[in-house]
Amino acid sequence: DAMVIQNPRYQVTQFGKPVTLSCSQTLNHNVMYWYQQKSSQAPKLLFHYYDKDFNNEADTPDNFQSRRPNTSFCFLDIRSPGLGDAAMYLCATSSGTRLQETQYFGPGTRLLVL
Amino acid sequence: QKEVEQNSGPLSVPEGAIASLNCTYSDRGSQSFFWYRQYSGKSPELIMFIYSNGDKEDGRFTAQLNKASQYVSLLIRDSQPSDSATYLCAVKGGNNRLAFGKGNQVVVIP
Repeated sequence: DAMVIQNPRYQVTQFGKPVTLSCSQTLNHNVMYWYQQKSSQAPKLLFHYYDKDFNNEADTPDNFQSRRPNTSFCFLDIRSPGLGDAAMYLCATSSGTRLQETQYFGPGTRLLVL
Repeated sequence: QKEVEQNSGPLSVPEGAIASLNCTYSDRGSQSFFWYRQYSGKSPELIMFIYSNGDKEDGRFTAQLNKASQYVSLLIRDSQPSDSATYLCAVKGGNNRLAFGKGNQVVVIP
């Protein structure tokens, strides 16, 4: 089945230790998104790629970076995780960004910072 | 004013009853509206989308859109315990960004 896959599902890191979260998709979608969702809050868009074009949200901290080496994969790098970065990180894809195109989410990676 | 507001607290409904969820949005230029279901600890799952004013039905779910009043609602008929989840309203505006509400928790009581 076509799907969005995220690895790992759970990640524990230490304060300040870099961590990379992975997302892959078999939908052949052009757009890949990274969201951060904290408990009882709305998902917050961090950035997205339209093909190779990177689009950063204005309020995304510099501590968060992303790479998309090919259509199928996208990575979220957190350079120096703080306690406030503990959250669920959601990857989503869509075929485009037109108004009627829907986003499909992967299972998420829950990040714990010690 | 937040872009997408879902203000009501947890909603408890008896099994078999109708659950009604409301969502308001601030961007009058918004054109696409989505409802996602999110089980605790899981990722959002798309259940409905609606683009035109009026009602859209899909199984036990009905989405209602009123652009003039800037609200979108979701009705869940014949509620089942498996419907117990948080329902996220999402709105796509002219900037093509998907803005989410905080969600409404629904608890279906057997």
